[in-house]
Amino acid sequence: DQQVKQNSPSLSVQEGRISILNCDYTNSMFDYFLWYKKYPAEGPTFLISISSIKDKNEDGRFTVFLNKSAKHLSLHIVPSQPGDSAVYFCAASDGANFGNEKLTFGTGTRLTIIP
Amino acid sequence: DAGVTQSPTHLIKTRGQHVTLRCSPISGHKSVSWYQQVLGQGPQFIFQYYEKEERGRGNFPDRFSARQFPNYSSELNVNALLLGDSALYLCASRDFSGSETQYFGPGTRLLVL
Repeated sequence: DQQVKQNSPSLSVQEGRISILNCDYTNSMFDYFLWYKKYPAEGPTFLISISSIKDKNEDGRFTVFLNKSAKHLSLHIVPSQPGDSAVYFCAASDGANFGNEKLTFGTGTRLTIIP
Repeated sequence: DAGVTQSPTHLIKTRGQHVTLRCSPISGHKSVSWYQQVLGQGPQFIFQYYEKEERGRGNFPDRFSARQFPNYSSELNVNALLLGDSALYLCASRDFSGSETQYFGPGTRLLVL
C-alpha cells in the first residue's frame, strides 16, 4: 500500500527553467510534508517542508505547494541549476502523534538539469 | 556543527551473519530513527527511539533490533542476515524544539553475499 506516490520516475528540465516535481498521498492523517534531495552514495538532504495548516512555503529558489483537498503537493525550483540534478523524495508524517516519527517516503523522481 | 554521523560507511557480510550499525545524532537531538533504502525505492521506516525508549517500529522482522544510549547515539542490529537485507541503512535525528524535520546521515551501505 503506497501511501505516498511520486508518479514520475524521471524529469528533464533545461537550465534556467522551472522544475516541477509532484507528489500525491492517500493518508488523510498526514499533516507534515517534506522534500529531500539525494545524491548517489549520500543520505537524503532536507530541502523544504510544509505543515498542513499552510498551502505554500518558500525558501529561496524552492517553493512547496500543498493542496489538501486533492491530497497533492508539488515542489517548484526556479531557476533550475545543474547542481539541482539529483533524486528528489517526497515524505509525509503524522506529526500529531508526538514521539511517533515515522516518515513515509515516495519512490523518488530523478531530476536532470540540461545545461 | 557536525551533522548526523554513521559508521561504518560500507560493510560486506555473508548470509547468516550478524551486523551492528552505529549512529550519532546531531548534538542536542534526542530522537533517532532508522530507515532502510533498497535500490529504486524510497527509505522505509524501521525504528524510532526517543529518550532511550522505542517509540515506533516499522514492518520489519524480529531479526532487526535497535537501542539508544544515554548520549543519544544508537545502534541497529540485524541477525541472521539474508541477501534481501542488502541496502543503504539511514539514520536520522530530530530536535523537538519546534521543528518536525528529520536530518539524515550519509548511511551505511550493507552488502550481504
